[in-house]
Amino acid sequence: GNSVTQMEGPVTLSEEAFLTINCTYTATGYPSLFWYVQYPGEGLQLLLKATKADDKGSNKGFEATYRKETTSFHLEKGSVQVSDSAVYFCALRTGANNLFFGTGTRLTVIP
Amino acid sequence: GAVVSQHPSWVICKSGTSVKIECRSLDFQATTMFWYRQFPKQSLMLMATSNEGSKATYEQGVEKDKFLINHASLTLSTLTVTSAHPEDSSFYICSAATTGEREQFFGPGTRLTVL
Repeated sequence: GNSVTQMEGPVTLSEEAFLTINCTYTATGYPSLFWYVQYPGEGLQLLLKATKADDKGSNKGFEATYRKETTSFHLEKGSVQVSDSAVYFCALRTGANNLFFGTGTRLTVIP
Repeated sequence: GAVVSQHPSWVICKSGTSVKIECRSLDFQATTMFWYRQFPKQSLMLMATSNEGSKATYEQGVEKDKFLINHASLTLSTLTVTSAHPEDSSFYICSAATTGEREQFFGPGTRLTVL
């Protein structure tokens, strides 16, 4: 079946620290992979995506590389800001529109 | 970007009553809307998919008579939790997509607490 496992939070970092949020998946077929971000009081927003192996998705300084050999899609950012504080969800999609989500990781960045 | 709203943002009700949650696409026409449920510290789980003007398709294990979904227009879908019980307490999130576009745009969610 399809499932996503991401590291549990919460994660607390100081401003300008390096961020990694781990995400691994199991899937039938060849999934597309996503990271969504949810800021307080708002809906999930697509942060970045990758549709095939070795693709790198990037946006707003965040990056994630689709690693088929390790079935992973870890989210990284070299220098986090207070404004990056949010909940981050890893997700996959196979075939139709159905998305399968991880449990979410809450990130808090302190000045 | 595309905006999806939900109303109410939170609701508390008594056991046995029904609660309606609205999901609206504010600046685009949503041919497909999705309803998810999220329990604490768990993933978002897809409950059902609805296409405008047709019956919703429910995921396995979701009771269609308990969770009534109506997608009567291209900008509005409603989820009614009938005869709610405390175990229905959860965070309900909708998303919307337009024809030919697979990206889903998410609402901010509705927290339901059943006493």
